[in-house]
Amino acid sequence: DAKTTQPPSMDCAEGRAANLPCNHSTISGNEYVYWYRQIHSQGPQYIIHGLKNNETNEMASLIITEDRKSSTLILPHATLRDTAVYYCIVRGSKNSGGSNYKLTFGKGTLLTVNP
Amino acid sequence: NAGVTQTPKFQVLKTGQSMTLQCAQDMNHEYMSWYRQDPGMGLRLIHYSVGAGITDQGEVPNGYNVSRSTTEDFPLRLLSAAPSQTSVYFCASRPTWTGVGEQYFGPGTRLTVT
Repeated sequence: DAKTTQPPSMDCAEGRAANLPCNHSTISGNEYVYWYRQIHSQGPQYIIHGLKNNETNEMASLIITEDRKSSTLILPHATLRDTAVYYCIVRGSKNSGGSNYKLTFGKGTLLTVNP
Repeated sequence: NAGVTQTPKFQVLKTGQSMTLQCAQDMNHEYMSWYRQDPGMGLRLIHYSVGAGITDQGEVPNGYNVSRSTTEDFPLRLLSAAPSQTSVYFCASRPTWTGVGEQYFGPGTRLTVT
């Protein structure tokens, strides 16, 4: 299974963009990159996922490098409520020919948004 | 939809007692799973189910039993509670085992074993 590496913590000023990096150098061609976050011991919350192309939704943008060995989650205008642990996870799917279907969590990055 | 619901929210057990943590989802999802989260750690997979009647072990299955008699429910049983099982337990579901997309998590059950 592809492993991910994230910095343990990051700070961001309120209203600025938060850029959270993730390294997944052993990702296979059929595995997706997923991002979840967990706010203060609540259940994890899905943010976004992508395979090759950059993706954007109402919460965030996901930038995946061309070689797919790393990605960046961007929160364009961070608020205090975005303070959370952010998890980067790789997972396969049948339609992409993958076989790793488990959602396996590491320790994530604690993002602290400061006023 | 209520999403993924878990009961109870909090529980205190004595060593050796047994109990069942309840999990239900009303989204007709095939895949359901249980995780535990210890302080400062990420979530670890205990057991999972890819459909009614089918279960399998995750990363840390010892001391826990599961069954899946219906699509909606996926209870987690602690056979003989130990202090090492003090943790926060999360249930999760997603539409299919093999598909792409979001996995939904419940609010968690905070278990203390004394």
